[in-house]
Amino acid sequence: DGGITQSPKYLFRKEGQNVTLSCEQNLNHDAMYWYRQDPGQGLRLIYYSQIVNDFQKGDIAEGYSVSREKKESFPLTVTSAQKNPTAFYLCASGLSPPGELFFGEGSRLTVL
Amino acid sequence: AQSVSQHNHHVILSEAASLELGCNYSYGGTVNLFWYVQYPGQHLQLLLKYFSGDPLVKGIKGFEAEFIKSKFSFNLRKPSVQWSDTAEYFCAVIHYSGGYQKVTFGTGTKLQVIP
Repeated sequence: DGGITQSPKYLFRKEGQNVTLSCEQNLNHDAMYWYRQDPGQGLRLIYYSQIVNDFQKGDIAEGYSVSREKKESFPLTVTSAQKNPTAFYLCASGLSPPGELFFGEGSRLTVL
Repeated sequence: AQSVSQHNHHVILSEAASLELGCNYSYGGTVNLFWYVQYPGQHLQLLLKYFSGDPLVKGIKGFEAEFIKSKFSFNLRKPSVQWSDTAEYFCAVIHYSGGYQKVTFGTGTKLQVIP
């Protein structure tokens, strides 16, 4: 089946640790996005990539990093520099130029 | 700062009432506009989109939206809501930033429909 797979669904991390969230798509989309969803704040853009080996900071990129070595994959690393990392993270993909976005199921990160 | 604004954060309606959710954006130039819905425990999914042409667009499940360029608005409407419309609704805008196309979402509106 075509779609976007995010893993893990739930992740617990101790303060000071980096963690990487996986996002894989088999929709042959050029563009991929990472959003953070917090109650009352909607979806805030962390990073986005329109083609392989190129990505741009979104509105809240501090404390996060990404890579785009393959078209299918856009992993997000939440570093220890992110002051408030506990959140629900959504990955999306779309055509470039973008039309509709297709979303994964999300990853919920809890920092203990 | 440029943004996408949804002023209604939480709306409660009785079944059969009419719905209008506001969405305003502050980007100039070419924009593409979307409404997404997130039902409890489910993925975000597309309700409708506007790229060009007729500013009144129709989406799934009886929803429609009107693009008013002069008001920078893209309000979502439904003449008669059902209990199954209980969900969170997000407006989104594709706009150009530094030669790249960004997709920015509003803060969302939670709709609760009472039977």
